[in-house]
Amino acid sequence: SAVISQKPSRDICQRGTSLTIQCQVDSQVTMMFWYRQQPGQSLTLIATANQGSEATYESGFVIDKFPISRPNLTFSTLTVSNMSPEDSSIYLCSVDLGANTEAFFGQGTRLTVV
Amino acid sequence: GENVEQHPSTLSVQEGDSAVIKCTYSDSASNYFPWYKQELGKRPQLIIDIRSNVGEKKDQRIAVTLNKTAKHFSLHITETQPEDSAVYFCAAPGGAQKLVFGQGTRLTINP
Repeated sequence: SAVISQKPSRDICQRGTSLTIQCQVDSQVTMMFWYRQQPGQSLTLIATANQGSEATYESGFVIDKFPISRPNLTFSTLTVSNMSPEDSSIYLCSVDLGANTEAFFGQGTRLTVV
Repeated sequence: GENVEQHPSTLSVQEGDSAVIKCTYSDSASNYFPWYKQELGKRPQLIIDIRSNVGEKKDQRIAVTLNKTAKHFSLHITETQPEDSAVYFCAAPGGAQKLVFGQGTRLTINP
């Protein structure tokens, strides 16, 4: 299994500012995934982060808005830039230990933009 | 890419009754189908998964069935209990180790 520590757990931010979310995994993993979960909705993949290369973004998400770092095999950050109220959501990081295996999630970051 | 549809969006059952949630997928090459449970304010957690080489898998009160021909799979919860109340998500592979999630089902168990 994998244990993920994600922080902050919640934050209230002013519009126009940026927030960086951190995820630390207790084991080395090839890929880390960042999801957005809007209130009452499903999980939508923002991007996949590989160590040593640029993140791969899903349709509708861009690097300028959601820059990602992946400095090593146990850590990643997601920044939500130039925030607006529409960015209010829960952001989750996730890892798995191989293709077609269980996905483990961080506890999530509940972001409110005012 | 893969598309996953999940029904119903909400489900209310009496305690002790059974609950069934259904998902369809679009990519016939998909071979792994997990189900996640998300309690209020908590992270999603895997409750059961099935691979395409079997048609059914059971774990105590929870079972998942897979129909590859029709491209659908279902979660069955028997003898429901109040602690089963949560949001349930199905998923299927979306390529490159990604998962595509269904829209979710909010299950409420009425005492």
